[in-house]
Amino acid sequence: QSALTQPRSVSGSPGQSVTISCTGTSSDVGGYNYVSWYQQHPGKAPKLMIYGVTKRPSGVPDRFSGSKSGNTASLTISGLQAEDEADYYCCSYAGSFWVFGGGTKLIVL
Amino acid sequence: QITLKESGPTLVKPTQTLTLTCTFSEFSLNTSGVGVGWIRQPPGKALEWLALIYWDDDKRYSPSLKSRLTITKDTSKNQVVLTMTNMDPVDTATYYCAHRPTVTWNAFDIWGQGTVVTVSS
Repeated sequence: QSALTQPRSVSGSPGQSVTISCTGTSSDVGGYNYVSWYQQHPGKAPKLMIYGVTKRPSGVPDRFSGSKSGNTASLTISGLQAEDEADYYCCSYAGSFWVFGGGTKLIVL
Repeated sequence: QITLKESGPTLVKPTQTLTLTCTFSEFSLNTSGVGVGWIRQPPGKALEWLALIYWDDDKRYSPSLKSRLTITKDTSKNQVVLTMTNMDPVDTATYYCAHRPTVTWNAFDIWGQGTVVTVSS
């Protein structure tokens, strides 16, 4: 299986919005509404930010939102804050296994 | 609250078999829908999903690593064990176990702290 495709890095200034894309195929992202997003700070374990394409676990700020169109899912972070600087990974169920994206480094300028 | 903790050797030699244990608390692998997965991350690289075991003992593996992986559970001990055969230096990574709550979620909501495994002679 191939990893999902994410941009290597995105950047934005505090208060701005950024969107991270995650492109797969009809066998994973496009085929199931089971895309999740994880935030990872250096040296820490990943943290679930979005599941089921659009749902936020309890405690995740509503500045984080997810969407999907065809084979591409997106994570949008609005009102950027310094603490949002981290690596972000998408993940999709693919029928009998899961596949992660290559990760995107979010830089808060 | 739910916690998971990985344990196992920090150093293994090439060709050896790696055995990792995930010990969890505050949930049961007897509960319908629940699963425990393993994910790894080589230094400076992306996450890679490895395997998952469901409450009903159904097991799923990464297609590219399937021949080398075995996942089992011991519900009486609240543990999940992952074995990976024929270890190679490219398998050097932080290995995480994670909780998958239900079919509806189908994501990994709680992660262990990770355990670092180095493959070197």
